[in-house]
Amino acid sequence: EDQVTQSPEALRLQEGESSSLNCSYTVSGLRGLFWYRQDPGKGPEFLFTLYSAGEEKEKERLKATLTKKESFLHITAPKPEDSATYLCAVLEGAQKLVFGQGTRLTINP
Amino acid sequence: KAGVTQTPRYLIKTRGQQVTLSCSPISGHRSVSWYQQTPGQGLQFLFEYFSETQRNKGNFPGRFSGRQFSNSRSEMNVSTLELGDSALYLCASSPAYGGEKLFFGSGTQLSVL
Repeated sequence: EDQVTQSPEALRLQEGESSSLNCSYTVSGLRGLFWYRQDPGKGPEFLFTLYSAGEEKEKERLKATLTKKESFLHITAPKPEDSATYLCAVLEGAQKLVFGQGTRLTINP
Repeated sequence: KAGVTQTPRYLIKTRGQQVTLSCSPISGHRSVSWYQQTPGQGLQFLFEYFSETQRNKGNFPGRFSGRQFSNSRSEMNVSTLELGDSALYLCASSPAYGGEKLFFGSGTQLSVL
């Protein structure tokens, strides 16, 4: 079965301090890697989908990249409103997502 | 456009009881998936329905079941509740069947006492 491991479990940054979150995956054949953001008391909110090694996608202060074994979510000059849990998932089968445990990101003002 | 709606938002039950959770997908979406989220196990896939047919099922006991109606609304049922069933149950919808991004509801928080 596909496996997804995210690191670190938790990350605390100062406002403006850039960093990266890691998502390592083991799949028989990658059909899609997804990044979601989840705020407390809410369901995950879609951020990006990546399909092939070398692909990159950006949205505001976030940029997702993909290699053959891992994906990174780079956050540049973060703001307190970027505080959330970031989830990585791979597509297994037609419509089943296998999620990592998530990285809990806190941005201090 | 309204998002995915899940009811109820919170639910408290006792061991041995059964519970039914409801999910209304985004208008036009035909695929509905259910996930269980706990602090220890994270998000785990329960099942997925498309056009009233269960297309995929996760590794959960038979006490967990679901169905989808002709209007794409879906229900999930858990019978003979156990303490370990306490979790946030999330419903997600997507336009069709085939790997598109999922739109999640805010979930139903189930507590089993």
